[in-house]
Amino acid sequence: QVQLKESGPGLVQPSQTLSLTCTVSGFSLTSYSVHWVRQHSGKSLEWMGRMWSDGDTSYNSAFTSRLSISRDTSKSQVFLKMNSLQTEDTGTYYCARIGPYTYYGYNPPFDYWGQGVMVTVSS
Amino acid sequence: DIQMTQSPASLSASLGETVSIECLASEGISNDLAWYQQKSGKSPQLLIYAASRLQDGVPSRFSGSGSGTRYSLKISGMQPEDEADYFCQQSYKYPWTFGGGTKLELK
Repeated sequence: QVQLKESGPGLVQPSQTLSLTCTVSGFSLTSYSVHWVRQHSGKSLEWMGRMWSDGDTSYNSAFTSRLSISRDTSKSQVFLKMNSLQTEDTGTYYCARIGPYTYYGYNPPFDYWGQGVMVTVSS
Repeated sequence: DIQMTQSPASLSASLGETVSIECLASEGISNDLAWYQQKSGKSPQLLIYAASRLQDGVPSRFSGSGSGTRYSLKISGMQPEDEADYFCQQSYKYPWTFGGGTKLELK
């Protein structure tokens, strides 16, 4: 059974660094890519970046220089680190898996999402 | 970045009514479009991918269509469990982008 679960601090002070963990089960990180998506309370969704199955990463340029995504395949975990947090970074952060190319085709959608972790940036 | 303009922002439908939600991309996205349903307090769930393909387990009253820059999601016969937010998302070009969402309520 495919599952993703985000974990991390609910409250971060402005200018500090956010560290989140996405722990997956039911699939291998070496076979599927995992993305980070955040949602502001006003409901808009924003793609942040991805960890490819081969270990490479891609980022939304809106976050370039303050966002880093890494992984530990032995623990089935993908990590997000973002520094210089501001109040506008408040929101719910999701990790999501991209479905298999063999089933969905060339540009597969997000087929599984974590439950999300709410992060508030406030002093 | 490709802008996804979703409309309407909200709508209210009666039981059994057919509703449509539209997404307009700022450039052609070659059917690389998915629709997600998000119920209150939950994470998004995949409904439609490749513009018109129904995800396994999704009721057949949901359908997707479109091409080029214009795409739509149709619900043929509103049910109480369809009350939710709906989002479109393009995966044609990075950064992937989402529509602003449509809040669907039962009248």
